Amino acid sequence: DAEITQSPRHKITETGRQVTLACHQTWNHNNMFWYRQDLGHGLRLIHYSYGVHDTNKGEVSDGYSVSRSNTEDLPLTLESAASSQTSVYFCASSELLAGKDTQYFGPGTRLTVL
Amino acid sequence: GESVGLHLPTLSVQEGDNSIINCAYSNSASDYFIWYKQESGKGPQFIIDIRSNMDKRQGQRVTVLLNKTVKHLSLQIAATQPGDSAVYFCAENIEGNQFYFGTGTSLTVIP
Repeated sequence: DAEITQSPRHKITETGRQVTLACHQTWNHNNMFWYRQDLGHGLRLIHYSYGVHDTNKGEVSDGYSVSRSNTEDLPLTLESAASSQTSVYFCASSELLAGKDTQYFGPGTRLTVL
Repeated sequence: GESVGLHLPTLSVQEGDNSIINCAYSNSASDYFIWYKQESGKGPQFIIDIRSNMDKRQGQRVTVLLNKTVKHLSLQIAATQPGDSAVYFCAENIEGNQFYFGTGTSLTVIP
């Protein structure tokens, strides 16, 4: 069955370190998204991509970067981790390029920055 | 009920009763909405969606109602079961593939 996976599921790192969270989908979806989820907030968009080599900034993109070298993967990199980036991170994907379409989510990565 | 941007309300219902979870959205231009279910430690799971040209849409044991006049969305769950215990949140789409997500309502089903 097609799915979307994230790794690692849990990560503890130190302030200032570079961290990369992986996201892999087997639906062959064009669109991929990264969100963070914090208490008191709904999911907030970090970065998104509408296809290979396309990346766009979301609402809370500062301190994060993404790259899209193939359809299946959209890794999220924290260039220099900060305690404010402790959160649960979700990757999502959707199919339609221009249409309004359901986003399907991965299981999440819980990141703790000490 | 829930509103995009407010903190988490809670709802407790007896097993077998019907549940109603509410969501107030902010943008009158929003024309596509999704309800998600999120169990503890898991990613959000799609439940049902509705477009603004509809007032009601039904799925298996779930119904979504859309009132554009007052910018209100509700999710009705029939014959609530213990497995329905989770956080439910709505998402509104304004343009392209970008959504704004509510903080959610925590539903607890009492056996």
